Amino acid sequence: DIQMTQSPSSVSASLGDRITITCRASQDINNDFSWYQQKPGKPPTLLIKAASTLQSGVPSRFSGSKSGTEFTLSISSLQPEDFATYFCQQADSFPRTFGGGTKLEIK
Amino acid sequence: QVQLVQSGAEVKKPGASVKVSCKASGHTFSGHAIHWVRQAPGQRFEFMGWINTASGDTKYSQKFQGRVTITRDTSATTAYMELSTLQLEDTAVYYCARDCWDGTCYDSWGQGTLVTVSS
Repeated sequence: DIQMTQSPSSVSASLGDRITITCRASQDINNDFSWYQQKPGKPPTLLIKAASTLQSGVPSRFSGSKSGTEFTLSISSLQPEDFATYFCQQADSFPRTFGGGTKLEIK
Repeated sequence: QVQLVQSGAEVKKPGASVKVSCKASGHTFSGHAIHWVRQAPGQRFEFMGWINTASGDTKYSQKFQGRVTITRDTSATTAYMELSTLQLEDTAVYYCARDCWDGTCYDSWGQGTLVTVSS
């Protein structure tokens, strides 16, 4: 199975800050990669698909990029509703596998 | 709007089976695969298997092969996931999720079903 290594596991930031979260795949996964946001007690919601395509309805302060097997989620100008857990997923190889998650907390 | 509504929480004894349902609405049921994933406390999400809602074909993660069965009822626009021979480690929130049109992501999720395995 492809391993997805996500970092950091947690991050503290202030309103208006910019943060980045990284996921590294254990092998090439092309662009078959997505980012999700999850709030406590709620199901995940899709933020970015195909490594860098913003899902419809997601604010433009979210962006995704890729360099080799490393994928980055950036959130510019943090808003109160952005404090949540974020995780990544690869869908290039069966079975789909997930990153361990990053909890974004208010500083 | 697309909605996936799952059945309610379950408490089971070790060795028992559980069947979770996922009713879809707001889209053509046969147009998207349905996947099942779970998240145990403090663990990352774990893929279990998926069903082609048009053909009924299924594919399961090797970890759950032999213990999981995914089915669907097209007339009821509902998918089901049954997990047998439950162990304490199967305590988790189980989610159904709709596959994106290109098969690379999940664009809609059920609300989750907590399955607790306890003696």
